[in-house]
Amino acid sequence: QLQLQESGPGLVKPSETLSLTCTVSGGFIRSSSYYWGWIRQPPVKGLEWIGSIFHSGSTYYNPSLESRVTISVDTSKNQFSLMLTSVTAADTAVYYCARHGAQWELLRWGQGTLVTVSS
Amino acid sequence: SYELTQPPSVSVSPGQTASITCSGDKLGDKYACWYQQKAGQSPVLVISQQTKRPSGIPERFSGSTSGNTATLTITGTQAMDEADYYCQAWDSSTVVFGGGTKLTVL
Repeated sequence: QLQLQESGPGLVKPSETLSLTCTVSGGFIRSSSYYWGWIRQPPVKGLEWIGSIFHSGSTYYNPSLESRVTISVDTSKNQFSLMLTSVTAADTAVYYCARHGAQWELLRWGQGTLVTVSS
Repeated sequence: SYELTQPPSVSVSPGQTASITCSGDKLGDKYACWYQQKAGQSPVLVISQQTKRPSGIPERFSGSTSGNTATLTITGTQAMDEADYYCQAWDSSTVVFGGGTKLTVL
């Protein structure tokens, strides 16, 4: 069964870069016909899509975050990654990785990882 | 930018039918889907492509769309259905979420 697991620092200082990795098991990123995405959820708030990537490296980003976001993929490690630059307290959230389906629904989610931005 | 609007909260008595709406421009032309998120857990897809129920999702969950509104219906609501529900669609190369609806079963 496909599983996704987020990993990375739980604390990032303001103005620095947030970096997270999603490791996929039970399936291969390179053989998927669909995209892989990052979503975040600030405390006690709703879901916000960050961006998504195909195994070829093709990406889509949320326009409101696009200037600060880079999503990359490493098919040899079966991982995809998120970088968010110049973070502020507003970037404090649980960050999820997930796999899209044919109509951009998010079929399978990781358990999420809390990232706090604080000095 | 595209927006999806949900009511902040819906209340329902156990055994009754709960309906949660999601409104967006020409939403009926898009493949809206719905997620359930229980406290402290990751979201789970409960309806995809407007009306399809993924494997393992109880039959009491159903979806429909008409015009600019998608509706998630839970028939015979159970206490375990108490959760936040989010609609989502794809528009202009972006994933868009509704603001979420807190379903209270009381």
